[in-house]
Amino acid sequence: ILNVEQSPQSLHVQEGDSTNFTCSFPSSNFYALHWYRWETAKSPEALFVMTLNGDEKKKGRISATLNTKEGYSYLYIKGSQPEDSATYLCAFDTGGFKTIFGAGTRLFVKA
Amino acid sequence: EAGVAQSPRYKIIEKRQSVAFWCNPISGHATLYWYQQILGQGPKLLIQFQNNGVVDDSQLPKDRFSAERLKGVDSTLKIQPAKLEDSAVYLCASSLDRNIGYTFGSGTRLTVV
Repeated sequence: ILNVEQSPQSLHVQEGDSTNFTCSFPSSNFYALHWYRWETAKSPEALFVMTLNGDEKKKGRISATLNTKEGYSYLYIKGSQPEDSATYLCAFDTGGFKTIFGAGTRLFVKA
Repeated sequence: EAGVAQSPRYKIIEKRQSVAFWCNPISGHATLYWYQQILGQGPKLLIQFQNNGVVDDSQLPKDRFSAERLKGVDSTLKIQPAKLEDSAVYLCASSLDRNIGYTFGSGTRLTVV
């Protein structure tokens, strides 16, 4: 059974804090790792699709790293803002017809 | 470009009733997915279409759930009869190239009472 774990489950930070969370996935049958941001009452929005071990991607204040050998990815947010409050989902893509989502990390940023 | 359209946004039904959800993907996206997201869990794939053919429905409870994608464009997901445990958000997504991720609709929140 392929399992994708995200931690922490939820996180409360103050505006201006930097934060990070983890996605753990199987180290075999790896094709890609996706990160999505899902704000309440909106559609999940694609942040990154990462395919290469050691890959680092950045979008504004958000960045992500990937380690396929040990099966983890970190998502970092620098200087959190209230508008960053959302659920951050990672998804493990096996390259076949399986993409398995983690349960998400709920981020709350207090002004 | 227009996003993935889903309707309705919310639905409340009694158990044993039937319900249907509709999805219109982004034009040109051959692959369409239906996901079920139960509170506190990650989205779970129910069914994946490539054009109008099913490529994966291994997690679709076929005794009560059905889905179709007419002419390789719009799709409907039906539950008949609904159970309490079907209460969830049903997300539709489409993709042109999985290397750039999926585009999701805003979902249908189903409450079965």
